[in-house]
Formats: sequence, C-alpha cells, structure tokens
Amino acid sequence: SQQGEEDPQALSIQEGENATMNCSYKTSINNLQWYRQNSGRGLVHLILIRSNEREKHSGRLRVTLDTSKKSSSLLITASRAADTASYFCATDPTPSGGSNYKLTFGKGTLLTVNP
Amino acid sequence: KAGVTQTPRYLIKTRGQQVTLSCSPISGHRSVSWYQQTPGQGLQFLFEYFSETQRNKGNFPGRFSGRQFSNSRSEMNVSTLELGDSALYLCASSSSPGGRYEQYFGPGTRLTVT
Repeated sequence: SQQGEEDPQALSIQEGENATMNCSYKTSINNLQWYRQNSGRGLVHLILIRSNEREKHSGRLRVTLDTSKKSSSLLITASRAADTASYFCATDPTPSGGSNYKLTFGKGTLLTVNP
Repeated sequence: KAGVTQTPRYLIKTRGQQVTLSCSPISGHRSVSWYQQTPGQGLQFLFEYFSETQRNKGNFPGRFSGRQFSNSRSEMNVSTLELGDSALYLCASSSSPGGRYEQYFGPGTRLTVT
C-alpha cells in the first residue's frame, strides 16, 4: 500500500504562477523526499527534508514538513513550461522493529505548466 | 560521475517467456533498488540489494527475482511473463541502504508483454 498520497492528482497552471502540491503519509518517518519524473523517464531527486526540519529551500523549490499532521508540501515558484512533470513524495518510515526500512512512493501529482 | 544505466531500454516479450534486466549503479553506491511503475499502481517497490544481499522485498510473486554482483551491478529476472508485467522498470542506486539518502534513478526499461 502507498505510504504517501499526493494531492491534487493533477494541476494545470500558467507560466509564472506558483504551484503547490501536498503529500500526506501514515506512519512516523525519518525523512521525506520529493522527486520529479518527466514523461516516461527516470525519477530525479529534488529535495530531502528530515523529520526534525520544518522547511527547506532549493532554488525555486520550497518544501515544508508538518510531522504532527503527517503532511508535506512542495511549492514551485515562478513556474516554467519545463517544470511540466509528475512529482512524487517518498517517505523513509521509522522502522517499527528490525531494519527493513525502504523508501515508499506516492502516486504523484501531474503538473502541467502552460506557456 | 556517470549516472545509473539500465539495459536494455526497451523490450518486447511474449507471454510465458522470461526476461533479464540489468542495472549499473553510480560508482561507489552499494545499494540498488528496483521498482515497477504502471499507470494503475504507480511506483511499486520490488526489492533492494546492498552489498550483494537482498535486504528487502516488496509484495511481488516469486517470478520476480534479482541479484547483485560484487561490483554492485544488479540484475532482475522475471520468469513466465504475464501481460500484467508490462511496465516501466526502474532501478535506483544510493550510497546507503533504504531511504536514508536520496536515490538516483536510471532511465528505466520499458517492458511490453504481448
């Protein structure tokens, strides 16, 4: 089953606008990561935020993490047509016992940025 | 550093056949994870290898298997292919097992089963 769930499933905006995507998860985590996937290609790592961090920036990306609500958001500012892609959140769950932790991906948000 | 490479990039097979996919991780990375991506199920974790040992396995039938060599290159094998195995198979390498650090993905192998 999916640990992370992105919302919305699809988002269409105009170039220059900001895009916000949300991710909710179920169990406690060590970190949460965001990835981007251009159509039919491999995923590209965007940003990693640890459970003791609340906000992180990287260029035009801003990620927040609220562990009390088990949610994260990814904000892309001043979007460009090249930002058109699917965006996935992935969680590294805190192991309940043993060491079989693994990164678990949500189903993604498809972002379309219209020129 | 060279990125993660996967071969072949595209593959067409017939039901009942078997297939082997290959993944070469980033130099120095000892963790290789495999994922299956389909439109309906999204990204599903198959298994992870670290230093030649399978340390985690997803919920897939025994027809899906893998291995990792001493140079960290990994292969996955699917036997007795079914139509539902048509998917994009992605491998990812990392410097640490599990999800402690970012994973670097290859371009994927697009498998079509007819």
